[in-house]
Amino acid sequence: SQTIHQWPATLVQPVGSPLSLECTVEGTSNPNLYWYRQAAGRGLQLLFYSVGIGQISSEVPQNLSASRPQDRQFILSSKKLLLSDSGFYLCAGGNYIGEQYFGPGTRLTVT
Amino acid sequence: EDKVVQSPLSLVVHEGDTVTLNCSYEVTNFRSLLWYKQEKKAPTFLFMLTSSGIEKKSGRLSSILDKKELFSILNITATQTGDSAIYLCAVQIQGAQKLVFGQGTRLTINP
Repeated sequence: SQTIHQWPATLVQPVGSPLSLECTVEGTSNPNLYWYRQAAGRGLQLLFYSVGIGQISSEVPQNLSASRPQDRQFILSSKKLLLSDSGFYLCAGGNYIGEQYFGPGTRLTVT
Repeated sequence: EDKVVQSPLSLVVHEGDTVTLNCSYEVTNFRSLLWYKQEKKAPTFLFMLTSSGIEKKSGRLSSILDKKELFSILNITATQTGDSAIYLCAVQIQGAQKLVFGQGTRLTINP
């Protein structure tokens, strides 16, 4: 089974600063990769997903972007953070039958 | 628009009670339904259901899917305080590489 690594666990950033969250996967090759954001105590909103290197699908127009420079690496970025970007960000890897496995998440607070 | 709705949004019961969590969906082309448990951080995978009427069981947890009425239930018997969590339901669409999540049910088990 695959293991998803995410860091940092928590992050506090000022408004207008850049963001880079990294996610790496081990235990599988060519996984589907996903970035989600979760509002406090609620369901998951899909932000981006990728089915291969350099292939990014955006689900929600926003202040964020994603890149997949290597097969097992998925990066979430922003050039200038907004207060509304605060939240819990989860990276997930998917297998061929559709199951998704999640990383530990990053709690981002924009001040 | 594809939609997954969970109910109740919040539930508080006493240890030892049995609970039933509901998930209904309206999607264009259903492939599978997944249940996750989320405690402090990352959601952990519980079940994947693809066929109607076949119960999946793991210890005190069980789940079943009704593809005619477009819903699934997650049952937890003899609840324990460790069952306290947010339970997430998600649906995978045929041909799509992504999951559509419900809002989650926050379950609290009091001793």
